[in-house]
Amino acid sequence: EAQVTQNPRYLITVTGKKLTVTCSQNMNHEYMSWYRQDPGLGLRQIYYSMNVEVTDKGDVPEGYKVSRKEKRNFPLILESPSPNQTSLYFCATQTGMGPYEQYFGPGTRLTVT
Amino acid sequence: GQQVMQIPQYQHVQEGEDFTTYCNSSTTLSNIQWYKQRPGGHPVFLIQLVKSGEVKKQKRLTFQFGEAKKNSSLHITATQTTDVGTYFCAGLDMDSNYQLIWGAGTKLIIKP
Repeated sequence: EAQVTQNPRYLITVTGKKLTVTCSQNMNHEYMSWYRQDPGLGLRQIYYSMNVEVTDKGDVPEGYKVSRKEKRNFPLILESPSPNQTSLYFCATQTGMGPYEQYFGPGTRLTVT
Repeated sequence: GQQVMQIPQYQHVQEGEDFTTYCNSSTTLSNIQWYKQRPGGHPVFLIQLVKSGEVKKQKRLTFQFGEAKKNSSLHITATQTTDVGTYFCAGLDMDSNYQLIWGAGTKLIIKP
């Protein structure tokens, strides 16, 4: 079954404590992306990766890091989380060829106190 | 930068009434995609429109892509409770590494 998995699904943490949200896909997609979703603001892209070892900033990259060491995994790292990073995070994948539809993971709800 | 404006932000309807959401892009798009996000869920791909003036139907849902490939709409006829959720449009920009440019979404709320 084609899947995008994210862990953890829920996380409550404190300001400054480094955390990693994992994303894994089994569809062999080249393209992976991280979004955050906040009420009234829709989906805003944080970082994306066109392929292994290729990453690029999206619209709101400040305070986040990513890595793409292997095709199936694309972790999102918050080195020093702050309360304004409290949000719902989605990982998504997309084929490099058409039709370019995106497949989303189930989401990670992060609360930073 | 490139933007896709989506309106309205919310729409409250009685069950059985119609619903429409509109997207307008500041630039010409290669294609436009529509996604639905149920409450508590993740966005799920509904459809993609590629051709200028294209119209596609999925049961009670009608999707249109404008002649200039800058605007699109989703119309739901006779809404049902299963239609509740947020509908997003996303335009594909081939000139920008195949990046999707997302609308902010329209939340469909069925009045009790």
